[in-house]
Amino acid sequence: QVQLQQWGTGLLKPSETLSRTCAVYGGSFSAYYWSWIRQSPGKGLEWIGEINHSGSANYNPSLESRVTISVDTSKNQFSLKLNSVTAADTAVYYCVRDGRSYAFDVWGQGTLVTVSS
Amino acid sequence: NFLLTQPHSVSESPGKTVTISCTRSSGNIASTYVQWYQQRPGGSPTIVIYGHNQRPSGVPDRFSGSIDSSSNSASLTISGLKSDDEADYYCQSYHTTNVVFGGGTKLTVL
Repeated sequence: QVQLQQWGTGLLKPSETLSRTCAVYGGSFSAYYWSWIRQSPGKGLEWIGEINHSGSANYNPSLESRVTISVDTSKNQFSLKLNSVTAADTAVYYCVRDGRSYAFDVWGQGTLVTVSS
Repeated sequence: NFLLTQPHSVSESPGKTVTISCTRSSGNIASTYVQWYQQRPGGSPTIVIYGHNQRPSGVPDRFSGSIDSSSNSASLTISGLKSDDEADYYCQSYHTTNVVFGGGTKLTVL
């Protein structure tokens, strides 16, 4: 059974950089793309971007200028960095597996990241 | 890019059937797969339909998905409604390497 576990800073000030890492336990890491998805409080889902084991990444055009997703295949981990955060980046962040054709079939437990001065 | 538009909320009684629509603003709904997710309060989303109409293992056959090219929309139908089905439901598709989610529909089982 595949499990995703993330960690990182939960409280940020405006203009700081959000950093989160997600570890993948079980299953094949190299066979899939791995995504970050967020959900602002009381709002819908927003895809941030994805990466595969080779480091090939794709980003949401609306966030691309501020986002970097990286991978560490030796640890079966992938990471998110979002710079110059504002209150609008306050959200629950999920790390997710893309099972096939952008069907997100395994979700980690979301973590609330708050941006506040 | 395109938008996926869902009704904000729907409600129905236990045992009945409900359908949630998801309309694509531009481009052919059939051109890229549509997925559906269920999110219960406080929980992470879980996939209930992928590839327009495929059910992952463990999802009951009360859940079904379809697309309609004439209205350029996808639909999630839940039959034999149970109180446990009360949740938010999101449709999702993609264009090349960008993913789009619908705004979500809150299903209330009366």
